[in-house]
Amino acid sequence: AQSVTQPDIHITVSEGASLELRCNYSYGATPYLFWYVQSPGQGLQLLLKYFSGDTLVQGIKGFEAEFKRSQSSFNLRKPSVHWSDAAEYFCAVLYQAGTALIFGKGTTLSVSS
Amino acid sequence: KAGVTQTPRYLIKTRGQQVTLSCSPISGHRSVSWYQQTPGQGLQFLFEYFSETQRNKGNFPGRFSGRQFSNSRSEMNVSTLELGDSALYLCASSLDGGTVAYEQYFGPGTRLTVT
Repeated sequence: AQSVTQPDIHITVSEGASLELRCNYSYGATPYLFWYVQSPGQGLQLLLKYFSGDTLVQGIKGFEAEFKRSQSSFNLRKPSVHWSDAAEYFCAVLYQAGTALIFGKGTTLSVSS
Repeated sequence: KAGVTQTPRYLIKTRGQQVTLSCSPISGHRSVSWYQQTPGQGLQFLFEYFSETQRNKGNFPGRFSGRQFSNSRSEMNVSTLELGDSALYLCASSLDGGTVAYEQYFGPGTRLTVT
């Protein structure tokens, strides 16, 4: 069955430090890949997406992600974290338009001062 | 351009009752999907509508149903509510055609509490 794994349930990073959130997907074909962010009490905001082409994609709020086919991974990175980045981050995959986004369980990011 | 809107934002119902949630997609978006988010199960797909037709359905009981109107607005209904239906219900919309169809934009959700 198709699945997405986010190995880290909770990560704490100091403000100004770099961040990497991990995501792995299982399935033979390469899906369309997404990262969403959810602040408390809010819906999901699309941070970035990978469909094809350059494996390093840039998103909003200074985030980037790198697709590695050999590792079935799509890790999210940010060079310098801000306190406002504290939220829950979800990796998701989609295989066909109109079908379900398959989400990981999420990683909660806390930012310490 | 306005984002996806969902009403109501919060709802408290009693077991056995039924509830209807509403979703207005981004203007021009014709596909609407619904997801349930709970702490235990995470984000799970309920169903997807396009041109007033349900194209895909997740693994939920028949108590969960939905529909889409000609203006692409969608509603979902849950009958005979159970305590386990307490969740954040999220609606997402997307364009149709090409790779943009893969980008789903979410509303703020409706927080349903069943007592």
